[in-house]
Amino acid sequence: GAGVSQSPSNKVTEKGKDVELRCDPISGHTALYWYRQSLGQGLEFLIYFQGNSAPDKSGLPSDRFSAERTGGSVSTLTIQRTQQEDSAVYLCASRRSDPYGYTFGSGTRLTVV
Amino acid sequence: QKEVEQDPGPLSVPEGAIVSLNCTYSNSAFQYFMWYRQYSRKGPELLMYTYSSGNKEDGRFTAQVDKSSKYISLFIRDSQPSDSATYLCAMSVNSGYALNFGKGTSLLVTP
Repeated sequence: GAGVSQSPSNKVTEKGKDVELRCDPISGHTALYWYRQSLGQGLEFLIYFQGNSAPDKSGLPSDRFSAERTGGSVSTLTIQRTQQEDSAVYLCASRRSDPYGYTFGSGTRLTVV
Repeated sequence: QKEVEQDPGPLSVPEGAIVSLNCTYSNSAFQYFMWYRQYSRKGPELLMYTYSSGNKEDGRFTAQVDKSSKYISLFIRDSQPSDSATYLCAMSVNSGYALNFGKGTSLLVTP
């Protein structure tokens, strides 16, 4: 596709359940990033994948959060035992080689009830 | 204290006004500076970018970086109602690193 695709666009889940959020980056983009945007907050970095290198997980807020990227393309962010404070918009971005060429998806709006 | 500070606004201006948006930062190692525009329920889109200090102009938009003051600005001339959005500053230490974002400034341009 022409852009970064994220699914689902909206997700409502019960506290304690696990959720999986998907990101399809732009074809050929080797770098992929996950960010979280809470109400009234800027984007908070979560995790970064670059090619075949080990991911930079330094932004993950707890061990309930994990992410993988299969075949250097699609990525899945998993949140286990969701809490109400996990409610936010989760944004994915991909980048080729241009230092400024981050392209964002429209995000997944997660609501934990 | 966050590494990047940005006044969240909201900022309301009449159509045609000059808008000034600013961010300050604490990490002197930042070299790559960007401004993103985000419409409601959409992802951020890149608006302007600069490397290190200096000015850059693109149409109605001008980005300025003052590394000595750790201060960056975005100016919008002849503002339009379609400019109404949230503007996020972002910066990184090295090319391709994760971006550090400000909280964003909400801008409303009224006809």
